[in-house]
Amino acid sequence: DTGVSQDPRHKITKRGQNVTFRCDPISEHNRLYWYRQTLGQGPEFLTYFQNEAQLEKSRLLSDRFSAERPKGSFSTLEIQRTEQGDSAMYLCASSDSYNEQFFGPGTRLTVL
Amino acid sequence: DQQVKQNSPSLSVQEGRISILNCDYTNSMFDYFLWYKKYPAEGPTFLISISSIKDKNEDGRFTVFLNKSAKHLSLHIVPSQPGDSAVYFCAASTQGAQKLVFGQGTRLTINP
Repeated sequence: DTGVSQDPRHKITKRGQNVTFRCDPISEHNRLYWYRQTLGQGPEFLTYFQNEAQLEKSRLLSDRFSAERPKGSFSTLEIQRTEQGDSAMYLCASSDSYNEQFFGPGTRLTVL
Repeated sequence: DQQVKQNSPSLSVQEGRISILNCDYTNSMFDYFLWYKKYPAEGPTFLISISSIKDKNEDGRFTVFLNKSAKHLSLHIVPSQPGDSAVYFCAASTQGAQKLVFGQGTRLTINP
């Protein structure tokens, strides 16, 4: 399977705990994106990497959120001191152009 | 500020007939538009796209129409098949920008 993969697929945590998600993009893609999707809404952009450089961050990405892509390959998204409002599907996508982005299956986060 | 809107939360179509999904946008700077399909527990899957220099793009059973003056695009699926039942998202981007701006989605149900 050469698609975008995400791990874990599901995460349940207690409020105040830290969580980290991983995304492995399609191998030849140098662009990687994180989105968040809540119930009944479309995905909302969080941040974007070109290779290892984080080039854009949404104002949705509060200081409790941090994303890295240390070697320009996989990426991690960490949420510190989780809140119930962080409960959502976190989607990762990759692309090799300005156009089509290919999405992974997502990580569903539930904060109790 | 919802820049991309899908005003129909759901649509039900009989198998074999045409499905028409609509999308409106407000930002005149958008110059690239995409449609994604999403099944439950999966990430969005890219379907078809269109650049603002065109007004129609066709790929098999799927055709996207763009009306720039009305800031409106639509996705036509003909003939509709049961496997087309899913949530459909339209998305838009501006040249040089990396993020996609999504609509809220339309749930399409194809009835046998």
